[in-house]
Amino acid sequence: EAGVVQSPRYKIIEKKQPVAFWCNPISGHNTLYWYLQNLGQGPELLIRYENEEAVDDSQLPKDRFSAERLKGVDSTLKIQPAELGDSAVYLCASSLGGAYSEQFFGPGTRLTVL
Amino acid sequence: AQSVTQPDIHITVSEGASLELRCNYSYGATPYLFWYVQSPGQGLQLLLKYFSGDTLVQGIKGFEAEFKRSQSSFNLRKPSVHWSDAAEYFCAVGVLTGTASKLTFGTGTRLQVTL
Repeated sequence: EAGVVQSPRYKIIEKKQPVAFWCNPISGHNTLYWYLQNLGQGPELLIRYENEEAVDDSQLPKDRFSAERLKGVDSTLKIQPAELGDSAVYLCASSLGGAYSEQFFGPGTRLTVL
Repeated sequence: AQSVTQPDIHITVSEGASLELRCNYSYGATPYLFWYVQSPGQGLQLLLKYFSGDTLVQGIKGFEAEFKRSQSSFNLRKPSVHWSDAAEYFCAVGVLTGTASKLTFGTGTRLQVTL
């Protein structure tokens, strides 16, 4: 069974440029998460989707970050414009849903903003 | 709000030696606790989890963890470390929000294994 797929794996951009990350969750997983992992830190939740609905986006900086999950499968996370402080690893995770459901993580996208 | 503290940023052990990684949590109700491992360039992999019941939890790769409510701790242990265990280890506390658990992670402990 394929795991959570993320692309690109690495991205280098100039500040003020836009950037997008893509995530394909495990087949059948209704819940999808985007996390931000800064260097030397643990992941922090940005947004959680139940199917196509964003049910928890309280930690998403909405002035520059946006996300979508059309048709309740793949998801895209966008930053526009990117700032130097956005350099981090962006992790996507998925789960079947439910309170005790394990979250499966993708390898992440490492973003460097110059 | 819940929080997790991993007091050791970096630990070095010899291959074959025992390992204990510390984790302390803060949460007002019964916590759901997790240990994840992250190898370089990889996503996080769940090692074990505690929801209720037996306070000694067995996980994958020979790891175990013990929940101690009186100490607000959930330390990870392994009796004999292998070189392949070198990685970053994260403890997390889960809070039920609606139909899912919201995870709060600690800052991680980097394990180095010497041969």
